[in-house]
Amino acid sequence: GESVGLHLPTLSVQEGDNSIINCAYSNSASDYFIWYKQESGKGPQFIIDIRSNMDKRQGQRVTVLLNKTVKHLSLQIAATQPGDSAVYFCAEPNTGRRALTFGSGTRLQVQP
Amino acid sequence: ETGVTQTPRHLVMGMTNKKSLKCEQHLGHNAMYWYKQSAKKPLELMFVYSLEERVENNSVPSRFSPECPNSSHLFLHLHTLQPEDSALYLCASSQAGTGGHEKLFFGSGTQLSVL
Repeated sequence: GESVGLHLPTLSVQEGDNSIINCAYSNSASDYFIWYKQESGKGPQFIIDIRSNMDKRQGQRVTVLLNKTVKHLSLQIAATQPGDSAVYFCAEPNTGRRALTFGSGTRLQVQP
Repeated sequence: ETGVTQTPRHLVMGMTNKKSLKCEQHLGHNAMYWYKQSAKKPLELMFVYSLEERVENNSVPSRFSPECPNSSHLFLHLHTLQPEDSALYLCASSQAGTGGHEKLFFGSGTQLSVL
């Protein structure tokens, strides 16, 4: 079956440091992955996506890396800021490709 | 603003009440979703509507009844809920294409408490 999971429930970093959030997936047929950010009191917000024909994709202060060999996805946030404090989810298409399946989430806490 | 509006933001109801959650999307999308988010649980897919037709019902109890009158509006009708149904209910929309239903846009959710 399909499964998207995260290694760590909470990650605490100092302001200005780089953050790395990891995600393992089990469906080797998934061809698309998304990272979402959920702040307190809000719904998940799209951050960045990557297709399986890519190993890396960069956005503004964020980079997503995809390792299909070990079915691993990571989100790197450069120069982490207090506004980055949130829960981060990775997601992939569900079996019918009609929705997304989400991982359990990692809470990022940025210490001043 | 994500273009997806949910009302109410908070709802407290008894187990014998009947209430409805409303979602409206202003993005011109053709697919809408209900997800449930409980404490310490990942987002659980409940229902998917594509072009106003329900295309996925993820084994949701019948006390939850969705309605999609048009591509911009989605409702979740609630009746005789249980305390374990207390959760954040999230609505989302997307533009479904040949590649599937990819990027979802979420509303802020309705925080439901069942007493």
